Amino acid sequence: RKEVEQDPGPFNVPEGATVAFNCTYSNSASQSFFWYRQDCRKEPKLLMSVYSSGNEDGRFTAQLNRASQYISLLIRDSKLSDSATYLCVVAASGGSYIPTFGRGTSLIVHP
Amino acid sequence: DAGVTQSPTHLIKTRGQQVTLRCSPKSGHDTVSWYQQALGQGPQFIFQYYEEEERQRGNFPDRFSGHQFPNYSSELNVNALLLGDSALYLCASSQGLPYNEQFFGPGTRLTVL
Repeated sequence: RKEVEQDPGPFNVPEGATVAFNCTYSNSASQSFFWYRQDCRKEPKLLMSVYSSGNEDGRFTAQLNRASQYISLLIRDSKLSDSATYLCVVAASGGSYIPTFGRGTSLIVHP
Repeated sequence: DAGVTQSPTHLIKTRGQQVTLRCSPKSGHDTVSWYQQALGQGPQFIFQYYEEEERQRGNFPDRFSGHQFPNYSSELNVNALLLGDSALYLCASSQGLPYNEQFFGPGTRLTVL
């Protein structure tokens, strides 16, 4: 099993739709979780951190489920500009802080 | 406030050659991490530098080495280039350890022929 797994998609949704991505991780010692957005041939940009209590930023909501070892990203009212690849990052605490990225989930929002 | 900068933008090398990539972190950041991103994959962690020392290393051979300077900028060196080293090399900066929010530079696209 890979350390961090994401469904590569693509998720093809109409404008205004709600879409959700999951990211599963295998290391139960993981403590830090993030979502990044990456546009084609560009660098990843931090979208949001994922806190234990969940967090929301406008149309974006991130959740952490430690029991089932996954994080999720919910996008409401999708815009054309949301089309991108969404990468999750998981980092363990303790002796090793190596951050592990998923391969990303591709989102295409169409008119 | 300048973000993370990297140079060069693109680079073409041949097998067996050596390459040096450079990174300047975001203002106020003291930690630099390097990643390799192959097409269609997520970034793979190479190593991280803090206080001029390599603090963490991913699963990359010794051909990959680095350095951090007193001004927090960093270099990534790759020796004996292989075709499989062709990728986007990303530098990310953050504040302190162990792992905090990272900000990425635009990357250096390396092609090995």
